[in-house]
Amino acid sequence: GENVEQHPSTLSVQEGDSAVIKCTYSDSASNYFPWYKQELGKGPQLIIDIRSNVGEKKDQRIAVTLNKTAKHFSLHITETQPEDSAVYFCAASITETGTALIFGKGTTLSVSS
Amino acid sequence: NAGVTQTPKFRVLKTGQSMTLLCAQDMNHEYMYWYRQDPGMGLRLIHYSVGEGTTAKGEVPDGYNVSRLKKQNFLLGLESAAPSQTSVYFCASRETWTGGTYGYTFGSGTRLTVV
Repeated sequence: GENVEQHPSTLSVQEGDSAVIKCTYSDSASNYFPWYKQELGKGPQLIIDIRSNVGEKKDQRIAVTLNKTAKHFSLHITETQPEDSAVYFCAASITETGTALIFGKGTTLSVSS
Repeated sequence: NAGVTQTPKFRVLKTGQSMTLLCAQDMNHEYMYWYRQDPGMGLRLIHYSVGEGTTAKGEVPDGYNVSRLKKQNFLLGLESAAPSQTSVYFCASRETWTGGTYGYTFGSGTRLTVV
């Protein structure tokens, strides 16, 4: 089955800096890669996703890149703000077969002002 | 529109006791999932359902049972709770994929402690 590895487990940046979180997946059939943000005491919330037919996707300060050949994808947050502090999870699945999302172990991002 | 509602939010059980966690969604989603979240382990899939009356095992199904008698509800049962089942449990749902978003909507979680 699919296995998703996520690095780093913790990341501390200064406000205004960029943050990058990386994930690798094992199943070459996976074609959907979402990123979730989880704030303290809440459930994860989808922030951006990418499908395997796209190499990059942006939404304001966040972007996701995908390298299918290397089987890795990354989350980029620019101009970080204290409210970006949270746990971020990557995940992977195969849309056509309806498989459940398999998540990475998460990255705790701390943005200090 | 509440989205995904989980009850209870907190519970303390004694080893060997049983309980049922309830997940309810009001979005008419076909797919529902139960995950557990443990420190350093991320979100691990326990069981899932692809429609009313169906259930399937995930990555860590042992010690849990599920039922999906109604489309809007997905129940997670612990027949004989063990300390290893101390965790935060999240329910999620999603609509049938038609080429758009495949994203999940998560509930706010149930924090379960087994002593």
